Amino acid sequence: AQKITQTQPGMFVQEKEAVTLDCTYDTSDQSYGLFWYKQPSSGEMIFLIYQGSYDEQNATEGRYSLNFQKARKSANLVISASQLGDSAMYFCAMREFYQYSGAGSYQLTFGKGTKLSVIP
Amino acid sequence: GAVVSQHPSWVICKSGTSVKIECRSLDFQATTMFWYRQFPKQSLMLMATSNEGSKATYEQGVEKDKFLINHASLTLSTLTVTSAHPEDSSFYICSASLGQETQYFGPGTRLLVL
Repeated sequence: AQKITQTQPGMFVQEKEAVTLDCTYDTSDQSYGLFWYKQPSSGEMIFLIYQGSYDEQNATEGRYSLNFQKARKSANLVISASQLGDSAMYFCAMREFYQYSGAGSYQLTFGKGTKLSVIP
Repeated sequence: GAVVSQHPSWVICKSGTSVKIECRSLDFQATTMFWYRQFPKQSLMLMATSNEGSKATYEQGVEKDKFLINHASLTLSTLTVTSAHPEDSSFYICSASLGQETQYFGPGTRLLVL
């Protein structure tokens, strides 16, 4: 089963409008983290926002906010007042701790992404 | 925010040659570095995780003899694609983190094997 599901391959939004990008996740861990990254056509991965599983308040970073609904295992990204420069791929990712050979690390699992296009 | 660089940004090579990609954390010491591969219109797939001074841990299906990872210091990790073939053509992207902290990504390296 997919750990991170982004059901919207592509989304269109009018400039200056708000848009919600969906993300659901699957984990049995109590401690995990949820991230959103933006990937423009240049390829770089730009960190947008982070939500910890124990955080009670929804994370906000400028025009980005994360609608975290723990019981439903969803972590939707809300972009307010869309700008033309917001056109890009957006990836939701979950951080979990993986143990291996006596060591371990926190790893990210990415969803398939949503391509957002902002229309002037 | 933390800055991670990658070099080169793009490389074209002949089939059978080896290619080395460097990943550097410029303003912080990264306890862990990660290497991902991204095919066109697909998501990032983790290839391996490396901690400074220890052997990398490879994900299932990733050939460790083909993709050599060296994490020589807290600010530098290298990925060497040995005997590259056209199917290795992809976008390779590294990230660096401080333990549980956010992973900061490099700008990526586009590899084209002819």
